[in-house]
Amino acid sequence: DQQVKQNSPSLSVQEGRISILNCDYTNSMFDYFLWYKKYPAEGPTFLISISSIKDKNEDGRFTVFLNKSAKHLSLHIVPSQPGDSAVYFCAASEEYSGAGSYQLTFGKGTKLSVIP
Amino acid sequence: EAQVTQNPRYLITVTGKKLTVTCSQNMNHEYMSWYRQDPGLGLRQIYYSMNVEVTDKGDVPEGYKVSRKEKRNFPLILESPSPNQTSLYFCASSRQGLDYGYTFGSGTRLTVV
Repeated sequence: DQQVKQNSPSLSVQEGRISILNCDYTNSMFDYFLWYKKYPAEGPTFLISISSIKDKNEDGRFTVFLNKSAKHLSLHIVPSQPGDSAVYFCAASEEYSGAGSYQLTFGKGTKLSVIP
Repeated sequence: EAQVTQNPRYLITVTGKKLTVTCSQNMNHEYMSWYRQDPGLGLRQIYYSMNVEVTDKGDVPEGYKVSRKEKRNFPLILESPSPNQTSLYFCASSRQGLDYGYTFGSGTRLTVV
């Protein structure tokens, strides 16, 4: 059973517009969420994260919103740039599990294409 | 430069021939992990290690072994590779806590024929 879902395999956006990438989760124990960006032939790179005690976290052009009641988070990129074209993975963790582990459960990814 | 280094980047091998993919990090991170990425399945965790001599299974551990004898190294061992282990593998590390997420290696593309 997939606990982290990214239902849109791909998204195309015009340069300068807003990109919105969505992620849903089913495990109510998840309390820390991250977004990763992945270019071809490279490993994923950490982009932004949010704890469940917040509903928004912002870092430059990137903002992550968390709606705990809906078990939904989204990544907004404003304005979108051609260099943002990549696969974006949503990930979740039970940060304060009893074992103290920091396992991440990833979604399947959304391929963003920003058209010049 | 802070990084996670995986070797080799590409490997083609035959069924049943034991192989090891190495992973090394220079950030003194306690936590290390192996993932595999397959089309349509995203990233799935194979094994993880919370510190030296402490390892545990992830979501897809069958057919893999790991060891953590030193803090910086976390090799992935395939004792008897099979074609269904053809995949893109990533090693990752992090300090305790997820404030900065994981740092991933560049990946190892393994083909088992």
